Amino acid sequence: DTGVSQNPRHKITKRGQNVTFRCDPISEHNRLYWYRQTLGQGPEFLTYFQNEAQLEKSRLLSDRFSAERPKGSFSTLEIQRTEQGDSAMYLCASSLWGQTQETQYFGPGTRLLVL
Amino acid sequence: SQQGEEDPQALSIQEGENATMNCSYKTSINNLQWYRQNSGRGLVHLILIRSNEREKHSGRLRVTLDTSKKSSSLLITASRAADTASYFCATDARTSGSRLTFGEGTQLTVNP
Repeated sequence: DTGVSQNPRHKITKRGQNVTFRCDPISEHNRLYWYRQTLGQGPEFLTYFQNEAQLEKSRLLSDRFSAERPKGSFSTLEIQRTEQGDSAMYLCASSLWGQTQETQYFGPGTRLLVL
Repeated sequence: SQQGEEDPQALSIQEGENATMNCSYKTSINNLQWYRQNSGRGLVHLILIRSNEREKHSGRLRVTLDTSKKSSSLLITASRAADTASYFCATDARTSGSRLTFGEGTQLTVNP
């Protein structure tokens, strides 16, 4: 049984650089979510997909952020022109929408440090 | 903005004792979920309780939900050192399209 996987697990970058993270959901799951978590806080919703359609984006998702799920399977989250305030853990989750109890299963996260 | 608020923010107990964490939220919900997070790691799903349920059990975990008070509690019985982690409640609001809104968490330390 393969859970949600995320790559890379850690990323250190310099301010102004672009970074891209990948999330592979549980294979039969049709919904995929991105959250961001800063130290000492709970995760905050960024965006989610149902299959390949991006259905909702948080106001936290500035125009420097873009997410895709081109074939309804894996997803990428790109941050352009990174800023120090982007340093956080980026978490991906997936779920099987349509069940009576929609549990979101989280990956291990990608920890981003912007210098 | 965060909807849920956990109480207490930190809890330190001895192994074998019970730990109770509370969560309050503000809007109507479809369900409420509890997650555990070990330091710097991903979140592990513990239990989901639907809005029409009042209590649910899973192993050493007991969750209650009071929708009239917009609150939930998580009880961990007979705690172990391995239970040391942060615990978050997350709500799936009726109007949110199934995104989860998390509280700031309770840091539980179980001393051996």
